[in-house]
Amino acid sequence: DAKTTQPTSMDCAEGRAANLPCNHSTISGNEYVYWYRQIHSQGPQYIIHGLKNNETNEMASLIITEDRKSSTLILPHATLRDTAVYYCIVSLTNDYKLSFGAGTTVTVRA
Amino acid sequence: GAGVSQSPSNKVTEKGKDVELRCDPISGHTALYWYRQSLGQGLEFLIYFQGNSAPDKSGLPSDRFSAERTGGSVSTLTIQRTQQEDSAVYLCASTPQGLAGELFFGEGSRLTVL
Repeated sequence: DAKTTQPTSMDCAEGRAANLPCNHSTISGNEYVYWYRQIHSQGPQYIIHGLKNNETNEMASLIITEDRKSSTLILPHATLRDTAVYYCIVSLTNDYKLSFGAGTTVTVRA
Repeated sequence: GAGVSQSPSNKVTEKGKDVELRCDPISGHTALYWYRQSLGQGLEFLIYFQGNSAPDKSGLPSDRFSAERTGGSVSTLTIQRTQQEDSAVYLCASTPQGLAGELFFGEGSRLTVL
């Protein structure tokens, strides 16, 4: 019973913005959208999270649609080191565990 | 500062042997999680600790798996009588308060059961 839907894979050009979509049409009003990534042979790494408003940090920007049924993670200037599996997760902040799906395998090409 | 530390990074064992995997969380983090990731698969939740107690052990796949945490810090995941299907990367994560939003993961312990 997946709460999010992401493309299986996508390619991005080095130096260009990478836009990663995520659908979460059944999200409830108090659930947040979290993004993690997992570089090969490493543990997952937190990227960003948001509720309603768009969020930006040093790693990425998160754009959430007004109806909150989908979101986009933006890597503004993709580098080869951004090649990873990116996970979009919907969860309550007081839910102590996160459920990781299959994610999107992003390959940044020179 | 130090992140989540796991040991061993790699472990090869024979079927039927017991193994222990260790996790040192970030200092001060009260919540600790164990996940498992089989080859090419997503993360599978195993167990959650808040302090030394484990409110949720629902993800442990069988009674061969157990975990403990002492002093609100180090945790050990023990797998008894290992089977080939136990081969996976075992990941540990911690958070300051047990709210799952931002998990800090270790590099994982890769277990191979021959």
